[in-house]
Amino acid sequence: AQKVTQAQTEISVVEKEDVTLDCVYETRDTTYYLFWYKQPPSGELVFLIRRNSFDEQNEISGRYSWNFQKSTSSFNFTITASQVVDSAVYFCALRPANSGYSTLTFGKGTMLLVSP
Amino acid sequence: DSGVTQTPKHLITATGQRVTLRCSPRSGDLSVYWYQQSLDQGLQFLIQYYNGEERAKGNILERFSAQQFPDLHSELNLSSLELGDSALYFCASSVTDNEQFFGPGTRLTVL
Repeated sequence: AQKVTQAQTEISVVEKEDVTLDCVYETRDTTYYLFWYKQPPSGELVFLIRRNSFDEQNEISGRYSWNFQKSTSSFNFTITASQVVDSAVYFCALRPANSGYSTLTFGKGTMLLVSP
Repeated sequence: DSGVTQTPKHLITATGQRVTLRCSPRSGDLSVYWYQQSLDQGLQFLIQYYNGEERAKGNILERFSAQQFPDLHSELNLSSLELGDSALYFCASSVTDNEQFFGPGTRLTVL
């Protein structure tokens, strides 16, 4: 069975603060993919990143960065210099890398509120 | 805009009724997935179709069914609706097993 835990249900920060969203996962699969999605107040789910389990290199995209640590089964997401537009619910997700079974298991999400 | 379209955007109906949600995947995507998002259950996978065939099944109730047509659009049918079926229903599509791109969702309210 797979499980994704996002222990932080809600985080409030003031604009320009850095914020890290935690994601811890459980899986018996040796190869898998990890994802982050953003759900702004408008409701749609926006894909942010996919990470392969065999690639532990951290990734940076603008103000966004991701820290994947297989040893602790964590895939944390950091927003640097947060902005009001970053306010959204962020979901971490996991799926096995086995071909033919590509469904996502989502965490409960972390609501991020960035105040001006 | 992900390229995945869903209709209708909102749906209000009564208990016991039947509704159909429609999804058009991104051009070229053969896989279509349906997810349900509710306050108590979070985002849950319902069912996946690949090129017209059912490929994986999740926590989908027997009252719910889906299909994918030759033009690759998909429909999710919900019948004998209950209050607890009120949720946001997402469709997603992908190229083979790559990342899934989600549609804007259909918000279903059962009164």
